[in-house]
Amino acid sequence: RKEVEQDPGPFNVPEGATVAFNCTYSNSASQSFFWYRQDCRKEPKLLMSVYSSGNEDGRFTAQLNRASQYISLLIRDSKLSDSATYLCVVNGSASKIIFGSGTRLSIRP
Amino acid sequence: NAGVTQTPKFRVLKTGQSMTLLCAQDMNHEYMYWYRQDPGMGLRLIHYSVGEGTTAKGEVPDGYNVSRLKKQNFLLGLESAAPSQTSVYFCASSYSQGGETQYFGPGTRLLVL
Repeated sequence: RKEVEQDPGPFNVPEGATVAFNCTYSNSASQSFFWYRQDCRKEPKLLMSVYSSGNEDGRFTAQLNRASQYISLLIRDSKLSDSATYLCVVNGSASKIIFGSGTRLSIRP
Repeated sequence: NAGVTQTPKFRVLKTGQSMTLLCAQDMNHEYMYWYRQDPGMGLRLIHYSVGEGTTAKGEVPDGYNVSRLKKQNFLLGLESAAPSQTSVYFCASSYSQGGETQYFGPGTRLLVL
């Protein structure tokens, strides 16, 4: 089993829709959690951190469920510009930074 | 403030050739990382450094060497390139430990024939 698993997608949703995807992790000792966004042929960029209490930034909401060992990302009122690959990142320490393989999201007009 | 830069952007090598990828950051970050990204595999940590003069192995270190002689630079070397090292290589840096945000360079696309 991979340490961090994501549904690769692609998720293909119409503009304005709400879309959500999860990321599961296997190490219960993991300390920090992030969502990164990666556009085609570009570098990953931080989208948001995931706190125990959850995190909301505009149309984006991230949640952490330690009991079930997953994090989630919810995107409301999706825009064409949201089309990208979303990477889940789980950090235990400098040597245990695990990136998920990403979930591809495509927003159609 | 350029952030994280990588040189070169693209390179084609023949099997057995050597090369060095250069990463530079101007944010005074202590931590620097080298990743490779392959289709369906996500980013995998090759080597990392927790400060000037230090290096450590990541998840997939075989076939690579690194050096951090200056705080702002982190070099990744391939002594004898193999086709399995065809990949996109990303450098990243962060202020402190793994729980901090990482800032990535634009990537180096390497093709080994």
